[in-house]
Amino acid sequence: KQEVTQIPAALSVPEGENLVLNCSFTDSAIYNLQWFRQDPGKGLTSLLLIQSSQREQTSGRLNASLDKSSGRSTLYIAASQPGDSATYLCAVGFYNTDKLIFGTGTRLQVFP
Amino acid sequence: GAGVSQSPSNKVTEKGKDVELRCDPISGHTALYWYRQSLGQGLEFLIYFQGNSAPDKSGLPSDRFSAERTGGSVSTLTIQRTQQEDSAVYLCASSLTARRSPGELFFGEGSRLTVL
Repeated sequence: KQEVTQIPAALSVPEGENLVLNCSFTDSAIYNLQWFRQDPGKGLTSLLLIQSSQREQTSGRLNASLDKSSGRSTLYIAASQPGDSATYLCAVGFYNTDKLIFGTGTRLQVFP
Repeated sequence: GAGVSQSPSNKVTEKGKDVELRCDPISGHTALYWYRQSLGQGLEFLIYFQGNSAPDKSGLPSDRFSAERTGGSVSTLTIQRTQQEDSAVYLCASSLTARRSPGELFFGEGSRLTVL
């Protein structure tokens, strides 16, 4: 069974810290992996998409890495800000499946 | 349109009533997904449309749920005889892909359904 797990479930940090969110998956036949952000009461906003042939992607203060052999991806947020407070979801697309499999998310709070 | 549009944004209904939720995907996107997000839960896949192919309905929780996509664009998710456990946010996403595996997904803001 293809499963996606995110640790930690919740994280609270002071402004300015660098932090790492973790995502692990059980099937190495990964096609791509996508990180999303969800604000309360809102839909999902795509942050980064990593194809299976890539090792990392960067967008501004965000960096996502992918290690297929260990079944892991990390989302690195540099110099965190209160505006980064949200739930972060990772979703994995596997070969020959139509749908992304989502983790349950990490709820991040960055306080001033 | 510029993004995925969903309506209504909020729907409150009485148990036993039917509801329809609408999704208008990004123009040109061939793939359309419906997911459900219950309070404190992760995203649960419901159904997937790809072009003119038969939809993947494997995630629909019961025969009270159905969905259609007309003209390869707008999709409607219908829930018949709603139950309280149907209360959730229903999220629609679209993707520009013709491949078997999913491309980058773009989500709408969701339709929050409350069944009293």
